[in-house]
Amino acid sequence: QSALTQPASVSGSPGQSITISCTGTSSDVGSYNLVSWYQQHPGKAPKLMIYEVSKRPSGVSHRFSGSKSGNTASLTISGLQAEDEADYYCCSYAGNNNFVVFGGGTKLTVL
Amino acid sequence: QVQLVESGGNLVKPGGSLRLSCAASGFTFSDYYISWIRQAPGKGLEWVSYISSSGSSIYDADSVKGRFTISRDNAKNSLYLQMNNLRAEDTAVYYCARWGNSLGTFDIWGQGTMVTVSS
Repeated sequence: QSALTQPASVSGSPGQSITISCTGTSSDVGSYNLVSWYQQHPGKAPKLMIYEVSKRPSGVSHRFSGSKSGNTASLTISGLQAEDEADYYCCSYAGNNNFVVFGGGTKLTVL
Repeated sequence: QVQLVESGGNLVKPGGSLRLSCAASGFTFSDYYISWIRQAPGKGLEWVSYISSSGSSIYDADSVKGRFTISRDNAKNSLYLQMNNLRAEDTAVYYCARWGNSLGTFDIWGQGTMVTVSS
């Protein structure tokens, strides 16, 4: 199974917006509206932030939003806050062959 | 509260075996698909294995196929991962994670258990 492609790092100042991309193929991201995003703070378990491309679980801030175009999904965080500093991973269902694939992760730094 | 708790991680020699457990509470375990997902030190997340709610359907990543076996005991609200013929590259934190309402969505994660494969 090959990983989805994410930038290694992104950064932004408090109050700004940032976008993290997640590029897959026509066999995963491009075929299914089943992209999810996870936030992971150091030493902690991942936390679901977005599912089915753009849906937010209960309790997740409206500052987090997701979208998809073709084989690329995106996570946007608006109004950056210090507590948003973490690693972010995208994930896509990939059908019965590869099943589930994750991105390599993006480290978000809040300057 | 809804919770998954992993156990069984340890230091093991290459070629050795280990069995991980994941205890579920706070929800009807038998209603949900579950997966094992791992994270090597300083690396990203890697999906390892999946089991359906009844245990009748199983999928494994190519990297562990033939060596790892996922299973569950719904009467005990427990998930297991039997790991055989372990390799150095299996060194990772292993998480169990509950599938949410859609495929590939993991809505509840355990805290993880560390497996170290080293001589």
